[in-house]
Formats: sequence, structure tokens, C-alpha cells
Amino acid sequence: GAVVSQHPSRVICKSGTSVKIECRSLDFQATTMFWYRQFPKQSLMLMATSNEGSKATYEQGVEKDKFLINHASLTLSTLTVTSAHPEDSSFYICSASLAGAYEQYFGPGTRLTVT
Amino acid sequence: GNSVTQMEGPVTLSEEAFLTINCTYTATGYPSLFWYVQYPGEGLQLLLKATKADDKGSNKGFEATYRKETTSFHLEKGSVQVSDSAVYFCALIRKNSGYSTLTFGKGTMLLVSP
Repeated sequence: GAVVSQHPSRVICKSGTSVKIECRSLDFQATTMFWYRQFPKQSLMLMATSNEGSKATYEQGVEKDKFLINHASLTLSTLTVTSAHPEDSSFYICSASLAGAYEQYFGPGTRLTVT
Repeated sequence: GNSVTQMEGPVTLSEEAFLTINCTYTATGYPSLFWYVQYPGEGLQLLLKATKADDKGSNKGFEATYRKETTSFHLEKGSVQVSDSAVYFCALIRKNSGYSTLTFGKGTMLLVSP
């Protein structure tokens, strides 16, 4: 149980285009979903936290207009990287948790490469 | 603010060797502490956790004890296997209103050779 999927697993896009990454909780309802960014050989940095049906809470330094997060249902959250640039290339990981629970279940990650 | 510091890797061991990966933290209050493992090409999996001082988390032969006096949560395993090769992340939880957020250390890569 508690499986989280991400799609796509890898994406390559051209500079200036937008890319959408989906995060789904497959067998549970996730009231809260989290988006992280992981640079090579570095830790996961929390980008934003989203609760179903409300606006995402972004961490300091993360541009909300560039990284659009939508959490429209209890099983789906999307991250859209708008007008992507090479410096946005990274490994993006989502996680999900149940209401009132602190444990997070992580997706397998999405490798974004912007050329 | 909250932070987690763990030893830099890679840690290279032979099979059946003893493993220690150090982790210390800075936090207000009494956080819950976690170790996550990331196998190549995969997402993070919870390995073990401890929610209060002197608790010992254990799973798959790995152990870690929550030491409030030294603000540490070192990961240990008595005999590592090749299949333990992965990146290990120490983390603590920060509780907000209605949800909790994780603060991660930088990760320590473990390489186990036959």
C-alpha cells in the first residue's frame, strides 16, 4: 500500500517551453502533497506543500509563478515548470501524506532536462 | 531553524562489514527523526524512525537511537550486504498547522563490494 507514482519519469524540453509533471497517490487519498527538487549529489530541497483544494505554500526562494502547483483532487497533484531554462534541469520528487499523519510516501522522481 | 548534518560519502565497505553513518540535528522542540534510503533510479523509502528521546528505530538490520543529549541519530548495521548500496538520508520533521514538513540532510552514499 501507499504507492505514489510520477509521470513522466524523464522529460527533455527546449528552453522557453513549459513542462507538467504529475504526482498520483495510487491507493490512498493524499490530503497533502509535497514537491522537492534534488540536485546531483545533494539533498532534497522542499519547494512547496499543497493541500487538496487550496493554494500551495511555497518555500522561501521558490518562484510561485515559475513553478505552478495544482492539487485538484485527493489523488493528483501537478507541478508545471513554466518557461523552463537549463538551470531548471533537475530531479523533481513528490511525496504524499494522509490527513493527520506525518509519514510521507515518495514518488520515484522525474528527471527534467532543459536544452 | 531546523537543520540536519550527516557525514559525507561515499562510504565504501566490504560485504559483512560494520556500518555507521553519523547524523546530527538542530531543531526547536523535540522533532521526530527518520532515515530514508534511495536506491539507484528510485524514490525515497522510509527505513526507520524514532519519535522521542532514547527511542530506537530498527528495520532490515539497520538501527538508530534518538540521542537528545548529543542531538544525534546515527545509523548502524552490523553486517552490510551488496544490496544495501544506496544513498541514505537523515531527516527530521517540522510540524505545521495541519501537516508536517521534512528537513533532509545531504545524503550519504554507501557502496558495498562483494
